[in-house]
Amino acid sequence: EVQLVESGGGLVQPGRSLRLSCAASGFTFDDYAMHWVRQAPGKGLEWVSGISWNSGSIGYADSVKGRFTISRDNAKNSLYLQMNSLRAEDTALYYCAKDARDDYGEGYFDYWGQGTLVTVSS
Amino acid sequence: SYELTQPPSVSVSLGQMARITCSGEALPKKYAYWYQQKPGQFPVLVIYKDSERPSGIPERFSGSSSGTIVTLTISGVQAEDEADYYCLSADSSGTYVVFGGGTKLTVL
Repeated sequence: EVQLVESGGGLVQPGRSLRLSCAASGFTFDDYAMHWVRQAPGKGLEWVSGISWNSGSIGYADSVKGRFTISRDNAKNSLYLQMNSLRAEDTALYYCAKDARDDYGEGYFDYWGQGTLVTVSS
Repeated sequence: SYELTQPPSVSVSLGQMARITCSGEALPKKYAYWYQQKPGQFPVLVIYKDSERPSGIPERFSGSSSGTIVTLTISGVQAEDEADYYCLSADSSGTYVVFGGGTKLTVL
């Protein structure tokens, strides 16, 4: 059974940093691309970032480019999102999502985690 | 940056057909995916690669593509289909993955 478990969310002040993690199980992690998707309270889904199976291709939404860094550790079956210079508008539920392909550039998400809530507020 | 456009809301009577559209200039070259999200739940894939249905998704869900518009059709809408629906695709270079703004389906 595929499981994606996010962690690392919480309350953080504007301008500070936070690191999210996603622990994956139930599939061969290093065969697939992975993504972070967020949803602000009462709003729609927003793709944040994606990373290919071997970290060779990485993409970011314009809203987070230069502030967020996605990475993965295939030996630990884990996905990460380092979030720096956080803003109030980054407040959202952050989902980890598995791609059905090995590259990130299509958005074929077949499994999602339950999400971890990030609140940016002073 | 790339955008996908969906109607904010669609209303349909129980048992009737619902159509939700999504438009984007790269859709002739890139597959579209449709996700259903019910309140308090994570999204569920209901259509992939424009028109394929994942196992476990009812046959009343179908997808189609014509030029720059893709359409999610729900035939014989049930009460449990009331949800938000999002299309997703990528720009022509495959650099950006983008969600449409979402469509709230209301079953009357």
